[in-house]
Amino acid sequence: QQPVQSPQAVILREGEDAVINCSSSKALYSVHWYRQKHGEAPVFLMILLKGGEQKGHDKISASFNEKKQQSSLYLTASQLSYSGTYFCGTERERDDKIIFGKGTRLHILP
Amino acid sequence: DAMVIQNPRYQVTQFGKPVTLSCSQTLNHNVMYWYQQKSSQAPKLLFHYYDKDFNNEADTPDNFQSRRPNTSFCFLDIRSPGLGDAAMYLCATSRDMRVIDIQYFGAGTRLSVL
Repeated sequence: QQPVQSPQAVILREGEDAVINCSSSKALYSVHWYRQKHGEAPVFLMILLKGGEQKGHDKISASFNEKKQQSSLYLTASQLSYSGTYFCGTERERDDKIIFGKGTRLHILP
Repeated sequence: DAMVIQNPRYQVTQFGKPVTLSCSQTLNHNVMYWYQQKSSQAPKLLFHYYDKDFNNEADTPDNFQSRRPNTSFCFLDIRSPGLGDAAMYLCATSRDMRVIDIQYFGAGTRLSVL
């Protein structure tokens, strides 16, 4: 069951905030967030485990609401380098494969 | 330094002509994955190796095969490429599937089928 990401695309000015959501209709064990720049490999951002945790580093943080089967990625005071496509990947059980959402394209304008 | 290396970065083949994509890793990871990513779509898992154990996804066409001759290398063989197989192919690795772990991706091989 592929997770659903919203919005599909976001255009922001440098310094603005963004929230990207990832939701599933099934119970989740973990949520993984990756960013992919055009023509490059996806790069790991963070993993969140069930239990409703929140993580962050620098100005990028995420939360995982186990009851809602939803994770949100928060980008504060966005920088030009944040541009790219953000994918969430979900696991329903430990040892399960990761299923990725369709991605959210983020474009930061100067 | 690149840790997951895919070659070539761009591959053009003809309809029906077999093609092999390669992936190598310097991380000594147990697990290697192959994903297919079409334009504006999510990466779709084709198969993975957990050490020498091959795990094929149920919806991966028979046209796609894989080999892992040793820990460091993994190959994706497309026996008879069709126009619908044009895509970015991503290789990824992780230490172990038994624990929650990061996947490290290569930069991908973009396959065109003429």
